[in-house]
Amino acid sequence: QSALTQLASVSGSPGQSITISCTGTSSDVGGHNYVSWYQQHPGKAPKLMIYDVSNRPSGVSNRFSGSKSGNTASLTISGLQAEDEADYYCSSYIGSILFGGGTRLTVL
Amino acid sequence: QVQLVQSGAEVKKPGASVKVSCKASGYTFTSYTMHWVRQAPGQRLEWMGWIIAGNGDTKYSQKFQGRVTVTTDTSASTAYMELSSLRSEDTAVYYCARSSYGYMDVWGKGTTVTVSS
Repeated sequence: QSALTQLASVSGSPGQSITISCTGTSSDVGGHNYVSWYQQHPGKAPKLMIYDVSNRPSGVSNRFSGSKSGNTASLTISGLQAEDEADYYCSSYIGSILFGGGTRLTVL
Repeated sequence: QVQLVQSGAEVKKPGASVKVSCKASGYTFTSYTMHWVRQAPGQRLEWMGWIIAGNGDTKYSQKFQGRVTVTTDTSASTAYMELSSLRSEDTAVYYCARSSYGYMDVWGKGTTVTVSS
């Protein structure tokens, strides 16, 4: 199984909205709703931000939202803040786990 | 509170094995699955395998099949990941992460494993 495809980097200004995409296949992202998103700050462990495509765990800001269309899942961050600057990874559960290559978000 | 506490950093020689522990607290250990994920310096997250703590069933990434073994000691609420035949490319931070179903909601802080002669 290959990694899911993410753009290497994305940037935005404070207050803006950005979307990070994650492309897989009909066997993984497109085949079910077990898509999750993780935020990772440098030197820290990943943190769950979205699960089952669009659900937010308790404590995660409602500025973070998830969606899916076909074989592509998306994470949208609205009202960008400096603290959102981090790496973001998508993941798909297919009995085993596939991760995306990660997207580095820079807040300008 | 729910937390996973991992063992300390390790330095190993090529060809050796390493065993990393992950002690869970704050929840019923046997009600969840434990995943192991690693991250080489500057690289992406890489899934290694999981174990269903309640019954010991395991599943491993094909990449690590034959080299990785994940076990639990339910009496100690602790999961273990052993990786054998270490090579320099195995230098990475190794994480344990609790899973409900398909997503990992609690992560350990990571254990750095350095493989160097």
